[in-house]
Amino acid sequence: AQTVTQSQPEMSVQEAETVTLSCTYDTSESDYYLFWYKQPPSRQMILVIRQEAYKQQNATENRFSVNFQKAAKSFSLKISDSQLGDAAMYFCAYRSTSGTYKYIFGTGTRLKVLA
Amino acid sequence: NAGVTQTPKFRVLKTGQSMTLLCAQDMNHEYMYWYRQDPGMGLRLIHYSVGEGTTAKGEVPDGYNVSRLKKQNFLLGLESAAPSQTSVYFCASSTPWGGPFRGNEQFFGPGTRLTVL
Repeated sequence: AQTVTQSQPEMSVQEAETVTLSCTYDTSESDYYLFWYKQPPSRQMILVIRQEAYKQQNATENRFSVNFQKAAKSFSLKISDSQLGDAAMYFCAYRSTSGTYKYIFGTGTRLKVLA
Repeated sequence: NAGVTQTPKFRVLKTGQSMTLLCAQDMNHEYMYWYRQDPGMGLRLIHYSVGEGTTAKGEVPDGYNVSRLKKQNFLLGLESAAPSQTSVYFCASSTPWGGPFRGNEQFFGPGTRLTVL
């Protein structure tokens, strides 16, 4: 069974600085997708970025980018030029493409942004 | 589009009471999911549905029942609430896997905070 691990329960970053959130996963599959979701205090989960396992190029969305290391089964999220609005809980998620309908979530990392 | 909506947003129950949480989506998604979120445990899948009239158990289904009578609605029921069911409940929906939908994400509702006393 696949698992997703986020080993950092909480992180802090100064406004305008860069922070990296870690995520590791375990799977025997070769074809899958990885996601980072943001959950602000409003509780509404929002997709931040996604990565297809077959794509070697790391995904980027404005100030958000990932470092995808398939062999190491690592999928970290880098937030550049951190803003106060980035403060939230961040969840890493895995989805197989083998036919299961399930997304597997990590336990989350709470990011605090210091002014 | 409203996306995914959940009713109610907050609820307090006494042990043994029953209730139904309603999830509605207007994106014509085939798949719908119910999760619970507890501190330090992330999101855990309770039940899910891959189409109207079909449901399946997730990771933590005990104490819950679901129904998907209409494509746009997914109901989560608690027949006899217990304090262990105090949690925040999220509904989500997504397109099917495969073809042009590969890699599509789930869309989430705003959550329901349930307290069982």
